[in-house]
Amino acid sequence: QKEVEQNSGPLSVPEGAIASLNCTYSDRVSQSFFWYRQYSGKSPELIMSIYSNGDKEDGRFTAQLNKASQYVSLLIRDSQPSDSATYLCAVLPYGNKLVFGAGTILRVKS
Amino acid sequence: ETGVTQTPRHLVMGMTNKKSLKCEQHLGHNAMYWYKQSAKKPLELMFVYSLEERVENNSVPSRFSPECPNSSHLFLHLHTLQPEDSALYLCASSQQGQATNYGYTFGSGTRLTVV
Repeated sequence: QKEVEQNSGPLSVPEGAIASLNCTYSDRVSQSFFWYRQYSGKSPELIMSIYSNGDKEDGRFTAQLNKASQYVSLLIRDSQPSDSATYLCAVLPYGNKLVFGAGTILRVKS
Repeated sequence: ETGVTQTPRHLVMGMTNKKSLKCEQHLGHNAMYWYKQSAKKPLELMFVYSLEERVENNSVPSRFSPECPNSSHLFLHLHTLQPEDSALYLCASSQQGQATNYGYTFGSGTRLTVV
């Protein structure tokens, strides 16, 4: 079983719609969860972090965490073509080493 | 310079060459990492340095040799690589104890092609 799983996509949404990206993880003692955005040929850029169950909002982005279900998601409201990228879910288990999923490709069509 | 800088951005090398990748962080962090990113695969953690000591080596072939002379600099020395080593190599840094809140900061990466 992969430690962090994401649907590879591509996920295609029309401009202005809500994009929903999902991630599951296997290590129950994981304590921190991150979403990185990676444009083609570029390095990952941290866009959201979440540590407690529930929702965390930052602008058009909302991260959702459910530790009982070992599930974390990222919602992007009012999606823009500039949001088209690969979104990486990363989990920090006990210790100090981030574990990454393979990423979901998001395409926002204008 | 700010953040994490990596050089070179692109590198093409033959299988018999020796080259080095360089990473420098300007964030005052005390942990540095090398990751390999291949197409459609998760980021693979290669090496971890904490307070200039290597604390992890994830079964990386000996043709990859890391070096961390101080907390701001990290190198990856390459020799006799194989074509399957072609990938994006990413350096990252974090502050021990604060990665929980802030994650890692990545450099721009080195796109390596082995011919």
